[in-house]
Amino acid sequence: GAVVSQHPSRVICKSGTSVKIECRSLDFQATTMFWYRQFPKQSLMLMATSNEGSKATYEQGVEKDKFLINHASLTLSTLTVTSAHPEDSSFYICSALLDSQETQYFGPGTRLLVL
Amino acid sequence: KNEVEQSPQNLTAQEGEFITINCSYSVGISALHWLQQHPGGGIVSLFMLSSGKKKHGRLIATINIQEKHSSLHITASHPRDSAVYICAVKTGFGNEKLTFGTGTRLTIIP
Repeated sequence: GAVVSQHPSRVICKSGTSVKIECRSLDFQATTMFWYRQFPKQSLMLMATSNEGSKATYEQGVEKDKFLINHASLTLSTLTVTSAHPEDSSFYICSALLDSQETQYFGPGTRLLVL
Repeated sequence: KNEVEQSPQNLTAQEGEFITINCSYSVGISALHWLQQHPGGGIVSLFMLSSGKKKHGRLIATINIQEKHSSLHITASHPRDSAVYICAVKTGFGNEKLTFGTGTRLTIIP
């Protein structure tokens, strides 16, 4: 149990376009999901906390107008990278919090390459 | 100084060896997680600890709250154990945010 999926797993886009990444909890409901970014050989960096039915909470230095987060249901959160630039190229990982276990379950990640 | 430090950063061992990865933290925590990240990037949660010791198969995790230190042990290591192992701490009750260590890259040679 406690499976989290992400879609797409890999995306290549042109500079200036927007990219949407989906994070789904497949077998449990999650009022809280997290979005992370990971650069090569570095650890995960929390970008924002996504709360179902309310606005996301962004970490310091993360532009909320650049990285739009929508947590419209208890099983789906989306991250949209708007007007993507090459410096946005990274590995984006989501996690969903299973409240009963106080544990985050991680998605498989989405590798974004902006040309 | 990072709030969560791991050692070693890289570890290469022969198949069958006993592996120890260490994690030290400088803040008060409510729980500590050990995560495994495979080369493709996917992350698996191995353990969540708030005290004592947990065992799952060949993996053992221990934590010493007073010393602010945790260890992850792998017995009878196997090439499929090759991955990055990440220590992450939860610093507040009711606050689910995690602070991550920089990871330990483990390579097991057949």
